[in-house]
Amino acid sequence: GNSVTQMEGPVTLSEEAFLTINCTYTATGYPSLFWYVQYPGEGLQLLLKATKADDKGSNKGFEATYRKETTSFHLEKGSVQVSDSAVYFCALRGSGAGSYQLTFGKGTKLSVIP
Amino acid sequence: DADVTQTPRNRITKTGKRIMLECSQTKGHDRMYWYRQDPGLGLRLIYYSFDVKDINKGEISDGYSVSRQAQAKFSLSLESAIPNQTALYFCATSEDTGRREQFFGPGTRLTVL
Repeated sequence: GNSVTQMEGPVTLSEEAFLTINCTYTATGYPSLFWYVQYPGEGLQLLLKATKADDKGSNKGFEATYRKETTSFHLEKGSVQVSDSAVYFCALRGSGAGSYQLTFGKGTKLSVIP
Repeated sequence: DADVTQTPRNRITKTGKRIMLECSQTKGHDRMYWYRQDPGLGLRLIYYSFDVKDINKGEISDGYSVSRQAQAKFSLSLESAIPNQTALYFCATSEDTGRREQFFGPGTRLTVL
């Protein structure tokens, strides 16, 4: 079955530091890949997505590139802000039957300190 | 107003009680989902519905039931709550064609004592 593995947190960074959160996946075919963000006390929001190999998703200064050769979709941001403190989830949606279903990683909590 | 709403936002109940969590959406989506979130486990799918007459079990449906009262409403019930059902519950919706991006509600925090 499909699975998503992301780096365990928590991750604590100083403001303006560089962020990488690693995500690798296992899936057959050509899944779509997502990063969701959950701010404290809120539901999940889609941060960015990529639907095919070599696509780069980007939003709010965050980027992730769909790497089929390494089955990875690492999240990066060049300069984090305190407002980026949240839990980040990597997820995939399969390409075949059952492609409605999202498979989530366990989440990585990011804390950014001034 | 929020596109996907959940009620209640917080609930504390006792073991053995029946409880219902409600979800409403104004996005006009056909597909609706219920997930639970546990610390360190991510989100896991409980039930999903492709339309009012199509309801399916997800990864962890035991101990739960659902009702799709209308296109816009999807309720999750715990027939006899137990402590290990203490979790954060999320409802989500998506279109049935195209990108199928899932939109999440704000969550219901349920505590079973």
